[in-house]
Amino acid sequence: AQSVAQPEDQVKVAEGNPLTVKCTYSVSGNPYLFWYVQYPNRGLQFLLKYITGDNLVKGSYGFEAEFNKSQTSFHLKKPSALVSDSALYFCAVRDLNTNAGKSTFGDGTTLTVKP
Amino acid sequence: ETGVTQSPTHLIKTRGQQVTLRCSSQSGHNTVSWYQQALGQGPQFIFQYYREEENGRGNFPPRFSGLQFPNYSSELNVNALELDDSALYLCASSLAGGRTGELFFGEGSRLTVL
Repeated sequence: AQSVAQPEDQVKVAEGNPLTVKCTYSVSGNPYLFWYVQYPNRGLQFLLKYITGDNLVKGSYGFEAEFNKSQTSFHLKKPSALVSDSALYFCAVRDLNTNAGKSTFGDGTTLTVKP
Repeated sequence: ETGVTQSPTHLIKTRGQQVTLRCSSQSGHNTVSWYQQALGQGPQFIFQYYREEENGRGNFPPRFSGLQFPNYSSELNVNALELDDSALYLCASSLAGGRTGELFFGEGSRLTVL
C-alpha cells in the first residue's frame, strides 16, 4: 500500500519569508513523488516531481522540494513567498511496484501568504 | 492551462440516477485516469485507462465504470448514484501508461447528488 501524509492543514507565512509545506510518504518500492497546486474551483496543476537523481528538485514558480529517503519526506519549499502563492497544495506518491499509474494524494495543505 | 477538457462542469442528479462524465485528453497523451475529490480531501484514484483498457483501479465499487476511445478521450459512468458520490470528478491525462510522468488535470466536473 502507498500513502501520503501532509501533517499541516494550514500554513501561514508573510510575503517575502521562506515557506515550507511538509509531506511524508510510505511505499513498498521506489517512490515517484509529486507536488501539485490547486486554485479555487480549478483542477490541479503540476509543480514538480522527483523520479531519481539529485535529491533537490526545482519546479515551477520558484518552488523546490527536497527528497529525503531516510525520513521518507518530500517537503515543498520556496525561499521568498508571494501573495499569489496562496493556494491548496497536494503531495502525491506513485509506486511502480503496485498499481501502475495510481497516484495517492495527501489531503492537502492550504498556504496563505499575508502581504 | 492544460489541454484536458471535461464536461459538463456542473451537474445535479438525484439518488439512484446514472451519470456520464466526459474527458478529452491532452494532445499526444494516451493514458487517462479519473479521480474523485470530496470536499476538503485529496483526490482519490478511481481507475486508469491505457490503450482503451483499464489497467489500474482504486477502491471504488463496480457501479463506477469507464471507457477510453481510440482518440484517447474517456468517459466515467456512475450508476445508482448515492449521496456520497457528490464530489469533484477530475480527469487527468499522461503518457506511457502514466508510469513516470506527471498528471495533467482538467478543471473537473462537480457532481451534486440530492
